[in-house]
Amino acid sequence: ETAVFQTPNYHVTQVGNEVSFNCKQTLGHDTMYWYKQDSKKLLKIMFSYNNKQLIVNETVPRRFSPQSSDKAHLNLRIKSVEPEDSAVYLCASSSYAEQFFGPGTRLTVL
Amino acid sequence: GQQVQQSPTSLVLQEGENAELQCNFSTSLNSMQWFYQRPGGSLISVFYNPSGTKQSGRLTSTTVIKERRSSLHISSSQITDSGTYLCAMERGSGSWQLIFGSGTQLTVMP
Repeated sequence: ETAVFQTPNYHVTQVGNEVSFNCKQTLGHDTMYWYKQDSKKLLKIMFSYNNKQLIVNETVPRRFSPQSSDKAHLNLRIKSVEPEDSAVYLCASSSYAEQFFGPGTRLTVL
Repeated sequence: GQQVQQSPTSLVLQEGENAELQCNFSTSLNSMQWFYQRPGGSLISVFYNPSGTKQSGRLTSTTVIKERRSSLHISSSQITDSGTYLCAMERGSGSWQLIFGSGTQLTVMP
């Protein structure tokens, strides 16, 4: 099956902890992305990454960092979570402009 | 100001009625995409439509670059069409990062 896969589906943690979310795509795409969807369902780009370039949205706090081992994987690490980080984190990939999304990881910060 | 504006915010239809969803962009349009999302569900690409008209079954998308707008028409709506429809445009600078509208919540009643 070719798609975008994310783990875990959901994660509950406490303020100050470190979390890491995984994303893998089997579509053969060159570019991957992380988006954040807040409680009002608004989606915002966080990062885009291919083997040449990492582009960071300037509004993303520095405690967030993407990690990639190869072009099929782009993980998201949050160093010290805060309550406002509670959201759904969506991973996507593309070979050109059309993007395909994973099912998301729902993060709850207590 | 918001770069991508969707209307209406919500729409309630009787099964069989048609729906017209609008998306307006405040900047030049490079590429755009329509997505569908069920509550708690993943984002599904409905159309990648940077210009012109595309049709798939009961769905038709029309993008007019000069007027900076795109529409999604759903004919003969069905209960299973209920969900949130999101439009997104490319952020620019060749990053292919998407900027999303706030979505149209569609409810189709029996």
